[in-house]
Amino acid sequence: DADVTQTPRNRITKTGKRIMLECSQTKGHDRMYWYRQDPGLGLQLIYYSFDVKDINKGEISDGYSVSRQAQAKFSLSLESAIPNQTALYFCATSDSGTTTHDEQFFGPGTRLTVL
Amino acid sequence: KNEVEQSPQNLTAQEGEFITINCSYSVGISALHWLQQHPGGGIVSLFMLSSGKKKHGRLIATINIQEKHSSLHITASHPRDSAVYICAVSRASGSRLTFGEGTQLTVNP
Repeated sequence: DADVTQTPRNRITKTGKRIMLECSQTKGHDRMYWYRQDPGLGLQLIYYSFDVKDINKGEISDGYSVSRQAQAKFSLSLESAIPNQTALYFCATSDSGTTTHDEQFFGPGTRLTVL
Repeated sequence: KNEVEQSPQNLTAQEGEFITINCSYSVGISALHWLQQHPGGGIVSLFMLSSGKKKHGRLIATINIQEKHSSLHITASHPRDSAVYICAVSRASGSRLTFGEGTQLTVNP
């Protein structure tokens, strides 16, 4: 079974709809991240969380919100989706308690299309 | 100017060729990462290094801290190596990653 899972894997929605993307991990990591990837651009950080009570904005947080429901779960919400939020979204985790704490482990991605 | 730049953006090779992908960065770092993104979209970590060289199978990653430059080499390339290779840096221990735009590698049989 995959250590970092994302649901849904694909989603098509309409402008103005509220969308939630979910991420779960069984790695026991304390740190979780949400990224978006657009064609020709590098991964951009939306939000990150270093533990359950710690939520931080990334480079492109406008139009997004997150919830860290438990150490293993980190959800990303688009309150009112717009077409330029069409992208591939990745969740990632890392473990602050190891010598390789910078290494991140990625989920399979969610392809979101906003019409 | 991006803080992490990769070259080339696209690379096409014939099976068996030796491949080099370059990454330059403009900030102080604690580690540099090479990631591979498969055609289906999944991303896996290949290397994390802060000095010298690391080797895993046919893949070799090197870093020159003074020149702020890293290279990823693939020896005896194979069509299954076709993927996007992404360079990323972390500036301080446990910090966020800054990513390059990726290099699309296609290896033809």
